[in-house]
Amino acid sequence: KAGVTQTPRYLIKTRGQQVTLSCSPISGHRSVSWYQQTPGQGLQFLFEYFSETQRNKGNFPGRFSGRQFSNSRSEMNVSTLELGDSALYLCASSSSGGAGETQYFGPGTRLLVL
Amino acid sequence: GQNIDQPTEMTATEGAIVQINCTYQTSGFNGLFWYQQHAGEAPTFLSYNVLDGLEEKGRFSSFLSRSKGYSYLLLKELQMKDSASYLCAVRVNSGTYKYIFGTGTRLKVLA
Repeated sequence: KAGVTQTPRYLIKTRGQQVTLSCSPISGHRSVSWYQQTPGQGLQFLFEYFSETQRNKGNFPGRFSGRQFSNSRSEMNVSTLELGDSALYLCASSSSGGAGETQYFGPGTRLLVL
Repeated sequence: GQNIDQPTEMTATEGAIVQINCTYQTSGFNGLFWYQQHAGEAPTFLSYNVLDGLEEKGRFSSFLSRSKGYSYLLLKELQMKDSASYLCAVRVNSGTYKYIFGTGTRLKVLA
């Protein structure tokens, strides 16, 4: 089975721009979670999607949004980029996000905001 | 609030044993996970504990004490390729499941 894939792998944007990142989960997985990873904060949970619905949300401003398509692929969008949004954005998938399951991570998208 | 603590950095010698500790204060505990992350790569799953005790998987073992809010990851017969960050994560159930991660422990294995 192919693993979790994320595109693009690297991205450079300037302040005020917006960005869309894509994540394709492992085939058959319906839960997709997004995380922001920075050196000082570690992995911070952004949101989780299951069956095209946002099921969980972390403590990020409304500039961070996401969606999930019927094939379980997910996108996250960040509008009005700030310098502090520079980070590695990871997505993780699991079968249904339930008890006893393990999340599998994609390679991440490294975003640099100038 | 929900909080996970682990040391920032550790150093050990090839062939040795190292123990990476993780303490947590969370509500709705539903399991503890350890992930390994090499620089520039995705975290990969190492182990999962939901009941108290030791889980062994080859050179890696993980221990959990729910009453103490404590876990450790034990790495035996260290190899250079074990140089990586080790992330402790707690899954909590607040109606749905969410993962809370520690900031990770950067392990350097020296020859």
